[in-house]
Amino acid sequence: GENVEQHPSTLSVQEGDSAVIKCTYSDSASNYFPWYKQELGKGPQLIIDIRSNVGEKKDQRIAVTLNKTAKHFSLHITETQPEDSAVYFCAASIGGTYKYIFGTGTRLKVLA
Amino acid sequence: GAVVSQHPSWVICKSGTSVKIECRSLDFQATTMFWYRQFPKQSLMLMATSNEGSKATYEQGVEKDKFLINHASLTLSTLTVTSAHPEDSSFYICSAPGGGLAGAGVYNEQFFGPGTRLTVL
Repeated sequence: GENVEQHPSTLSVQEGDSAVIKCTYSDSASNYFPWYKQELGKGPQLIIDIRSNVGEKKDQRIAVTLNKTAKHFSLHITETQPEDSAVYFCAASIGGTYKYIFGTGTRLKVLA
Repeated sequence: GAVVSQHPSWVICKSGTSVKIECRSLDFQATTMFWYRQFPKQSLMLMATSNEGSKATYEQGVEKDKFLINHASLTLSTLTVTSAHPEDSSFYICSAPGGGLAGAGVYNEQFFGPGTRLTVL
């Protein structure tokens, strides 16, 4: 079945450094790739997304890149701040549907 | 933006009782909603798709008789955990896709509720 792998599972960076989280998906029909930030005890919050017809998207300190050929997509956070500390999940749509398969999550800790 | 609410935010119940969780789309209509379960330090696992006016569809391995879903209107879906046991203790999250009747969000995007923490003693 469809699968999304996410690495690393934990990531510690110094404040101001960059953080990169990578995901690989298996469904070649996936066309939508959102990234969510989840703080403890809360629901996921969309931070950025990308569609299959775009290779890169940026929103201030956050960027996402997509390599359809390799079925890879990555989240890049620059100039990290302590408030960026959270669990980040990638997801891939199942085909062109609203249903998602989520990655396993990355616990990001930004050290002040 | 599109907002999804859940009620209650947390609930504690005794083993064997049933618990109902509500998911509402506050400013848009949702003919489809999704229910997820998340165990501590794990990812979100899709349990079922709630469809307004028809039966829910359940993911493989999810007991439909245990997790009853009712999509009573275009803004409300409920999940009832029947005869709850300690192993059902989890964080339950609903979501609703954008687009559709109200044009909220964009195609493919899901809006997530804040989650409901269920603890079964």
